[in-house]
Amino acid sequence: DIQMTQSPSSLSASVGDRVTITCRASQGIRNDLGWYQQKPGKAPKRLIYAASSLQPGVPWRFSGSGSGTEFTLTISSLQPEDFATYYCLQHNSYPWTFGQGTKVEIK
Amino acid sequence: EAQLVESGGGLVQPGGSLKLSCGASGFTFSAAAIHWVRQASGKGLEWVGQIRSAANTYATIYAASARGRFIISRDDSENTAYLQMNRLKAEDTAVYYCCKHPDAIPTNFDLWGRGTLVTVSS
Repeated sequence: DIQMTQSPSSLSASVGDRVTITCRASQGIRNDLGWYQQKPGKAPKRLIYAASSLQPGVPWRFSGSGSGTEFTLTISSLQPEDFATYYCLQHNSYPWTFGQGTKVEIK
Repeated sequence: EAQLVESGGGLVQPGGSLKLSCGASGFTFSAAAIHWVRQASGKGLEWVGQIRSAANTYATIYAASARGRFIISRDDSENTAYLQMNRLKAEDTAVYYCCKHPDAIPTNFDLWGRGTLVTVSS
């Protein structure tokens, strides 16, 4: 199975801060990766697909990059509605696997 | 608007069975691959399994934790997918989400349902 190691597991940031979350795959997965945002009690919502493509309707402050084994999600200027938990998901091979999640909290 | 709605969750005793449903609307269900993902309280997301479309012979694949106990099926005429869970264990307690993506495109979930809670306890 491909292991997805996501870091950090949590972070505290202020509105307006630039935030970066990283996922590392245990083997190369090309760009077969998505990023999801989950708010408490809600279903996850896709932000990024194919590692760097922005899901329609998602604000431009979200961006993704990377290929192979290292990937990043960047929020260029954190907004109040961005406080949530973020997950990466690889779909390169079965079983599909998620990162452990990064909880973004208000500083 | 595209939508997935899960139902059928509840309390079941260890060793029991439960069948979840995932109703779809607002998109071409028959062309979608349907997955189930679960999340234990306060924990991360775990992929459970997938069923592909008729074009891919309704092929199914499961996580090791589900293989041999869970069965995913679908009825395209009813725009509904199912997760039959047998021999349930306490560690199967979770919110179960159904998710989809276009089966013809090698991508991941573009839509999730709101989830249904399964509690396995005596």
